[in-house]
Amino acid sequence: KNQVEQSPQSLIILEGKNCTLQCNYTVSPFSNLRWYKQDTGRGPVSLTIMTFSENTKSNGRYTATLDADTKQSSLHITASQLSDSASYICVVSASRGSTLGRLYFGRGTQLTVWP
Amino acid sequence: DTEVTQTPKHLVMGMTNKKSLKCEQHMGHRAMYWYKQKAKKPPELMFVYSYEKLSINESVPSRFSPECPNSSLLNLHLHALQPEDSALYLCASSQPLGAYLSGANVLTFGAGSRLTVL
Repeated sequence: KNQVEQSPQSLIILEGKNCTLQCNYTVSPFSNLRWYKQDTGRGPVSLTIMTFSENTKSNGRYTATLDADTKQSSLHITASQLSDSASYICVVSASRGSTLGRLYFGRGTQLTVWP
Repeated sequence: DTEVTQTPKHLVMGMTNKKSLKCEQHMGHRAMYWYKQKAKKPPELMFVYSYEKLSINESVPSRFSPECPNSSLLNLHLHALQPEDSALYLCASSQPLGAYLSGANVLTFGAGSRLTVL
């Protein structure tokens, strides 16, 4: 069964601190994995996208890693800011067949940054 | 233009009303999507259009009727909804399905339409 699991479910950190969010998936055949940031009541915004051959990709203070062998990804946020408070969603895409066009969403990690 | 625009941002309707949600993009994307999102839950796929043709319908009740008049527009017609249909409805667009390019199928989401059914 194609699934995406994220941990932790929620996380509270102090402004300026770093944090790491985890994503494990069983989606097959794998096409790509992306991390989205979603502010409350708003649409998700893409942070990074990683394909099978990519191990690390950065976007400013966000760094995503992918281990396609263990089917794990992480999103590392450096020097957190209050505006980082949001839900971070891991989304995995399958590459062909009946799953074409379908994305598999994790439940998200709700990050709260306190001053 | 790198945005997906959804209107209205908020909609309140009764169970007997007929209303529509609208979505527009001018990025040349040929795949467009409707998702439904309840609070604290991930988005759930409803419909996918590819080249203006419905390619995926996730067994959505007929009270939701999608329409793709052209490659830039996507509508969701609502009729006889139930209170449990209250949710954030997200529109998204992407490169065409089957385009196995780096970054393909990366969805650009709109800000959503918050629907409340009384």
